[in-house]
Amino acid sequence: NAGVTQTPKFRILKIGQSMTLQCTQDMNHNYMYWYRQDPGMGLKLIYYSVGAGITDKGEVPNGYNVSRSTTEDFPLRLELAAPSQTSVYFCASSFGPNQPQHFGDGTRLSIL
Amino acid sequence: ILNVEQSPQSLHVQEGDSTNFTCSFPSSNFYALHWYRWETAKSPEALFVMTLNGDEKKKGRISATLNTKEGYSYLYIKGSQPEDSATYLCAFSSAGGTSYGKLTFGQGTILTVHP
Repeated sequence: NAGVTQTPKFRILKIGQSMTLQCTQDMNHNYMYWYRQDPGMGLKLIYYSVGAGITDKGEVPNGYNVSRSTTEDFPLRLELAAPSQTSVYFCASSFGPNQPQHFGDGTRLSIL
Repeated sequence: ILNVEQSPQSLHVQEGDSTNFTCSFPSSNFYALHWYRWETAKSPEALFVMTLNGDEKKKGRISATLNTKEGYSYLYIKGSQPEDSATYLCAFSSAGGTSYGKLTFGQGTILTVHP
């Protein structure tokens, strides 16, 4: 099993560019999440989804969009990249709300 | 905004020492408390998910307890080994509305075990 797969692993963007961070899981999990990790700030929830077609905002959603058209995929889109979005992004999934979350390897994004 | 606090921020111990860390969280509307272990250059890995007051979980030399009435959880490591060096994260989710499954993470406790 691949688990949770994130692509790309690294990316450098210019201010104002857009991009999509891909996340796919093969565990048939209903719940999927996007987090960002900033130095000294821990993990902050950006968006999450409880199933295909259902998404909701987390703690830090501004500047991001998500969609969930299938159970497996949960892409995160940055429309107008800003330096404040330089971070490491983690996607995670779980069977349910009180089940352990499985994390991908992360995407390191720099915006210059 | 929910406040989840972990202490200490960092800890240095010698191989063979036993150690423990604390996670404090809101005592109202409790749903679940998670513990994760996060090694450098890897992704977080789940240790425990606890949902009931008084829960105790154990995995090898690592164990955790939960007190939802006073809003704290302890993580214990018995006989620390250098391979236990990692950041230990706790995360809290509250009940109600759309909160289920939304985790608020603490800042983590960085453990370094010296040979």
